[in-house]
Amino acid sequence: KAGVTQTPRYLIKTRGQQVTLSCSPISGHRSVSWYQQTPGQGLQFLFEYFSETQRNKGNFPGRFSGRQFSNSRSEMNVSTLELGDSALYLCASSAGTGITGQYFGPGTRLTVT
Amino acid sequence: GQNIDQPTEMTATEGAIVQINCTYQTSGFNGLFWYQQHAGEAPTFLSYNVLDGLEEKGRFSSFLSRSKGYSYLLLKELQMKDSASYLCAVRGTGGGNKLTFGTGTQLKVEL
Repeated sequence: KAGVTQTPRYLIKTRGQQVTLSCSPISGHRSVSWYQQTPGQGLQFLFEYFSETQRNKGNFPGRFSGRQFSNSRSEMNVSTLELGDSALYLCASSAGTGITGQYFGPGTRLTVT
Repeated sequence: GQNIDQPTEMTATEGAIVQINCTYQTSGFNGLFWYQQHAGEAPTFLSYNVLDGLEEKGRFSSFLSRSKGYSYLLLKELQMKDSASYLCAVRGTGGGNKLTFGTGTQLKVEL
């Protein structure tokens, strides 16, 4: 099975712009979660989508949003970018809940200048 | 909310055994996960505990005590490639897969 894929891998944006990141989960996985990783804060949960519905949400401002499509692919959007949004954005897929672990994609490295 | 504590750094010798501890305080608990993350790479799932006791998987074992809010990851026969960050994460009882991660323990394996 192919793993989780994320595009693009690297992105440079300017403050005030908006960005859309994409994640394709492992085939058959219906849950997609997004995390932000920074050196200071570590891995922080953004949101989770399951069957096209947001199931959980972290403590991030409304500038961060996401969606999931019928094929389980997911996108996250960040509007009005700030310098502090520079981070590695990781997507993780899971078959559901229970004993299954979440499997992470390689991430998108976003730099805001 | 969730609060997770791990040591920031550890150093061990190749071939030895190392134990990485994780303590957590949570308003709800539905499983504890361990992940390994090499520099510049994505986290890799290592283990999952939801009941008390030891789960063994090759050179890696993970232990959980829910009453103590405590877990550890045990790595045996350390290899140089085990040098990485080890992340402890807790899933709450709100449903779904929301994980709260500790800040990670950077393990350095030396000759």
